[in-house]
Amino acid sequence: DARVTQTPRDKVTEMGQEVTMRCQPILGHNTVFWYRQTMMQGLELLAYFRNRAPLDDSGMPKDRFSAEMPDATLATLKIQPSEPRDSAVYFCASGLESNSGLPREQYFGPGTRLTVT
Amino acid sequence: DAKTTQPNSMESNEEEPVHLPCNHSTISGTDYIHWYRQLPSQGPEYVIHGLTSNVNNRMASLAIAEDRKSSTLILHRATLRDAAVYYCILRDAPGRQGNLIFGKGTKLSVKP
Repeated sequence: DARVTQTPRDKVTEMGQEVTMRCQPILGHNTVFWYRQTMMQGLELLAYFRNRAPLDDSGMPKDRFSAEMPDATLATLKIQPSEPRDSAVYFCASGLESNSGLPREQYFGPGTRLTVT
Repeated sequence: DAKTTQPNSMESNEEEPVHLPCNHSTISGTDYIHWYRQLPSQGPEYVIHGLTSNVNNRMASLAIAEDRKSSTLILHRATLRDAAVYYCILRDAPGRQGNLIFGKGTKLSVKP
């Protein structure tokens, strides 16, 4: 089965350090999403790419977060500098959408559990 | 904000059917009804989606009210593995809203 993979699965870091999370979307998918899940806020969108172009990153704190897709097989989410409030599980999802746009299902990775001390 | 209303939690017995309700009274004509679930310590997983007609797949059935203001996800025989948080989500066509907007969902507990 094709799956979305994420690395690392767990990350513990100290406040102020840079954190990079990686995602490999399912081959052939043209949309990639980054979500964050916390107990307080639930699942919320951070960034959304279609054909590697960012379409929506309004959910991201711009001063410290950045999301990129260097190529079609890799998406990255960076936090610099990290803060304790960034502790959460970060999920990457991919999907296949066309311009005519019937909404299709998204496939989620296993997540990266980030703890910032 | 999520445009759906779901009960916070439900309980079921193993091997019995489960009906998970979702209200979406402000649904528009182009909104599709999607269901995802999230098992403990895993990412969300697609379950089923529909527009107007009832839908069946290997995981579940989706019953949509005639006025589309509510829908019900049906698990025909609950197993322990079905214990999860179930999210009912509206998604617009033609894909202007690419991301999923998750509410709090319904936490389903399955008793042996």
